[in-house]
Amino acid sequence: KNEVEQSPQNLTAQEGEFITINCSYSVGISALHWLQQHPGGGIVSLFMLSSGKKKHGRLIATINIQEKHSSLHITASHPRDSAVYICAVPYNFGNEKLTFGTGTRLTIIP
Amino acid sequence: DSGVTQTPKHLITATGQRVTLRCSPRSGDLSVYWYQQSLDQGLQFLIQYYNGEERAKGNILERFSAQQFPDLHSELNLSSLELGDSALYFCASSTASGGASETQYFGPGTRLLVL
Repeated sequence: KNEVEQSPQNLTAQEGEFITINCSYSVGISALHWLQQHPGGGIVSLFMLSSGKKKHGRLIATINIQEKHSSLHITASHPRDSAVYICAVPYNFGNEKLTFGTGTRLTIIP
Repeated sequence: DSGVTQTPKHLITATGQRVTLRCSPRSGDLSVYWYQQSLDQGLQFLIQYYNGEERAKGNILERFSAQQFPDLHSELNLSSLELGDSALYFCASSTASGGASETQYFGPGTRLLVL
């Protein structure tokens, strides 16, 4: 089974700062997901990527397949970015079930 | 709004009881996934249905069962409830059967409290 580690577990930053959240996994994968869980509990899929880099607004996700590592960056962070960010990967290569990291709790202070 | 609906939003029940959680996927999506999120275990995959058929199974207890109906809505049945079953239960949907290789759209969740 894929082991997923996220760092940091908790992150507090000032509004406007550049944020980086990291995700490492142990077994080769077909794709990696980044999810955002709002304080109210709802989950939103931010990115699914299998190589390179994707950008959506102020969010950028990168993945290095060889190093089994992905990063989620937030530019010009805002208090509304405060949420838990969760990385998810397949159980193992070719397996379509997702296994999840424990999440990074991000708090942006105005 | 993801387009995935779940009912009820909140459920409070007693140990030993049985409950049914309901999920309606986005229009056109054929796959439904069920996940459990508890404080100590985080998010865990329970089961996936694709077009009415069970497609993949995760750490789903024998006391739990699910099905997907011809109109593609799905129900998760939890029986002989224990305190440890208290959790957020999410349903997600995707277009095809690809699971980890597809974007999944999550419903708002059902918060279950077993007393």
